[in-house]
Amino acid sequence: TQLLEQSPQFLSIQEGENLTVYCNSSSVFSSLQWYRQEPGEGPVLLVTVVTGGEVKKLKRLTFQFGDARKDSSLHITAAQPGDTGLYLCAGVGSYQLTFGKGTKLSVIP
Amino acid sequence: NAGVTQTPKFQVLKTGQSMTLQCAQDMNHNSMYWYRQDPGMGLRLIYYSASEGTTDKGEVPNGYNVSRLNKREFSLRLESAAPSQTSVYFCASSRGGAETQYFGPGTRLLVL
Repeated sequence: TQLLEQSPQFLSIQEGENLTVYCNSSSVFSSLQWYRQEPGEGPVLLVTVVTGGEVKKLKRLTFQFGDARKDSSLHITAAQPGDTGLYLCAGVGSYQLTFGKGTKLSVIP
Repeated sequence: NAGVTQTPKFQVLKTGQSMTLQCAQDMNHNSMYWYRQDPGMGLRLIYYSASEGTTDKGEVPNGYNVSRLNKREFSLRLESAAPSQTSVYFCASSRGGAETQYFGPGTRLLVL
């Protein structure tokens, strides 16, 4: 079973601060996805990273896939209260995703 | 375009009762999935259907059965509910295995 470890588990920061969350695995994934889940809703895909060393930017969010395709990070610049939610990484397999346990982010106004 | 819909939104059961959670998608997706989400445990795959007519076990299939009724619909059945099945259940669909999964709003189930 491929496992994904996310850290930190919880993060509470002030509006305007920067933060980074991590997703690590002992296994190689062909690609990795990041989802955000708001309270009471299902997860929504933010990005898919495919190539080792790849960096993708989505407005204030920067996603990086490790060179060995075993780890990934999500960096948020100048966090906003609207960034509050559960951030999940997921390793992509043939027919299914393997999810990490998530990082719960709270951005305080 | 409703995406992925799930019914019911909330349900309270007594131990031993049975129920079926319904899921439908209108995106003509091939693959459908059932997950459960528990505090501190992330999303765990219960069953999935890679294509119409096929179903396979995921990480935590015990106590559940599924039916891929047609390409649109994928149901999850609890034959004899147990308190350990108290959870939030999400259905998802995708065009195929490595493609983006689209999630429904979830069903919150409490088993007393």
